[in-house]
Amino acid sequence: SSELTQDPAVSVALGQTVRITCQGDSLRIYFASWFHQRPGQAPTLVFYGQNNRPSGIPDRFSGSTSGNTATLTITGAQAEDEGDYYCNSRDSSDNRGVFGTGTKVTVL
Amino acid sequence: QVQLQQWGAGLLKPSETLSLTCAVSGSSFTNYYLSWIRQAPGQGLEWIGENNHAGSATYNPSLKGRVTISVDTSKNQFSLKLTSVTAADTASYYCARSIWGRHPPSFFYYYMDVWGKGTTVTVSS
Repeated sequence: SSELTQDPAVSVALGQTVRITCQGDSLRIYFASWFHQRPGQAPTLVFYGQNNRPSGIPDRFSGSTSGNTATLTITGAQAEDEGDYYCNSRDSSDNRGVFGTGTKVTVL
Repeated sequence: QVQLQQWGAGLLKPSETLSLTCAVSGSSFTNYYLSWIRQAPGQGLEWIGENNHAGSATYNPSLKGRVTISVDTSKNQFSLKLTSVTAADTASYYCARSIWGRHPPSFFYYYMDVWGKGTTVTVSS
C-alpha cells in the first residue's frame, strides 16, 4: 500500500511533549522524513533519516521508527511549532513519493 | 547555499498546458533528484514526480500520463508540464531537491531538503 496515515489533529500545552505518528507499509524499509508547514508557506524539512535534523532545526525535534510506524516528537513545544506536519516516504512497490495525510498541531 | 527559484503562468483555462520552471543555484545538478509537489487549497501535499540529470523520471500514476518533468543540465533548470488541466489542478506547486539512497543493512532514506517558494496556479474558464 502507498498510504501514509496520520492523525488529523493534536494539541499540546506550551512546553510539553507532543508525538505525531505516521503509519504505512513503506515505513518498514524507508525512514520517514517530516515537514512543518505554516499557512501560506512552503513546507520545511524538520527531520529525516534514522536520526538527522537539518541545520537550524532545534533539537527539540526528534524522530523514531518501529515496524510500520514513524513518530516525530517535539519535546518542549513552542508557539512557533504550530502548523501542519507531514510525513513523507516512498512507495515500496512502485517507488513513487508519497506524503502522509497531515497532522495539525495546536500549541495551547 | 542551495536555492530553488521557480516561475510560470499562474492562470490557465481548462484544457491548457501548465508549464513551470525551477532554477537551481548553489549546487551541482548531480547526485540528487528534482521533484514537483502540489497542494490544492485547504488540502495536503501531493507528490507529482521527479527526474534527475540522467533523465530517470518517475511520476505519480494518478496524473495518468499528463505530466512530464524535464531537466536542462546546461541551465541548471528543470521543468514541469501538465497537459489538459482542469479545475482539479488548481493548487500551489512547489519544486524541491530530493535525496535518497540506502541505509545499510536493510533500510532506505529519502527526503526533500530544499524547496522553492511555490507558484499558485488557478485553472478557470
